[in-house]
Amino acid sequence: SAVISQKPSRDICQRGTSLTIQCQVDSQVTMMFWYRQQPGQSLTLIATANQGSEATYESGFVIDKFPISRPNLTFSTLTVSNMSPEDSSIYLCSVQGQSYEQYFGPGTRLTVT
Amino acid sequence: QKEVEQNSGPLSVPEGAIASLNCTYSDRGSQSFFWYRQYSGKSPELIMFIYSNGDKEDGRFTAQLNKASQYVSLLIRDSQPSDSATYLCAVNGNNFNKFYFGSGTKLNVKP
Repeated sequence: SAVISQKPSRDICQRGTSLTIQCQVDSQVTMMFWYRQQPGQSLTLIATANQGSEATYESGFVIDKFPISRPNLTFSTLTVSNMSPEDSSIYLCSVQGQSYEQYFGPGTRLTVT
Repeated sequence: QKEVEQNSGPLSVPEGAIASLNCTYSDRGSQSFFWYRQYSGKSPELIMFIYSNGDKEDGRFTAQLNKASQYVSLLIRDSQPSDSATYLCAVNGNNFNKFYFGSGTKLNVKP
């Protein structure tokens, strides 16, 4: 399985600011995904990011709030814009394996004050 | 709306027992089924996946799939306290690129 890293691992941000989360993979992958996991909850897919194309967002998530970049096959970023306390969550990136399984990065724990 | 249902638990079993975790799904077109383990404060870790009806074994873990009943389960034999975690069931439908996660079952293995 791929080795996935995320930066930062955690951050505390003020309301109204933005944070960019980086996801780096040690091998080339076609499909990358961004999820949110709120305390005590399961994972919610934010968007799917393919290299060379616009990200595909799930219902309830918009590009203005969660812009995503996918400049190459090993890297992606998710920005959480104009943050509010409701954005406090763990943000996870994942990559798709050869059998459509997904492997997750360690996550970014975001607290908005 | 595709749905994946899991009993939230907690499911408590004594050490050495078999833990049985269950998952049902609503989309009959679902093709692939995945089990993840998530320790508190950690990200989900893939345990195993299954595509075909029947059983698939990997060490102490057995996944069972019954597409007619839209049911997938995970058995953990000889449960250990280190197995205490939340177990997430994930399903992808006709779109292989998209997962639908259940809410997870919290397992507690008592020494």
